[in-house]
Amino acid sequence: NAGVTQTPKFRVLKTGQSMTLLCAQDMNHEYMYWYRQDPGMGLRLIHYSVGEGTTAKGEVPDGYNVSRLKKQNFLLGLESAAPSQTSVYFCASSHPPGAIYGYTFGSGTRLTVV
Amino acid sequence: DQQVKQNSPSLSVQEGRISILNCDYTNSMFDYFLWYKKYPAEGPTFLISISSIKDKNEDGRFTVFLNKSAKHLSLHIVPSQPGDSAVYFCAASSEYGNKLVFGAGTILRVKS
Repeated sequence: NAGVTQTPKFRVLKTGQSMTLLCAQDMNHEYMYWYRQDPGMGLRLIHYSVGEGTTAKGEVPDGYNVSRLKKQNFLLGLESAAPSQTSVYFCASSHPPGAIYGYTFGSGTRLTVV
Repeated sequence: DQQVKQNSPSLSVQEGRISILNCDYTNSMFDYFLWYKKYPAEGPTFLISISSIKDKNEDGRFTVFLNKSAKHLSLHIVPSQPGDSAVYFCAASSEYGNKLVFGAGTILRVKS
């Protein structure tokens, strides 16, 4: 029972490069989320999805794009990486409503943009 | 403008004593509150939650208290154990969970 799996776990990018972070869940959860964690800021919501084929903006969506083509996968894309996107990225999933059942988080992707 | 605030970056407690972690919020529309625990190099894990219609919820050594009038909640851990050493995040939702808003976290160190 893998839960929520994030790949890769670590990545170093040069400014201007692009990359995609993959999140996969095997719990048949409807909702999926991408958060970033920065020191002193907690976790901030980037984008989320309430079902296959749907996405919505969170608190800090600029510079990111997402896709949810399959229910079990939620992809986060950086089109042109910037040093301000250096962060730890967490994917989470939940049954609706997520607050009552709790989110299941992946172990994170540590991204450094130089 | 942080809607969920954890004003203590860290807390150190002796093993066996009580740990009290605090959280304040500003959005009166929040109706569900959760605590998450995070170990290094791992994702946060759900610990305990409380609905706005209650003022207390217990689960073993963990109790969450909610004071709606003060927009304040706290997590009590009794007795504290070294394995409780982690970062604790307070989170809140105004839609029963479509989107959680997290605080900055408090690092708890339990000394043996």
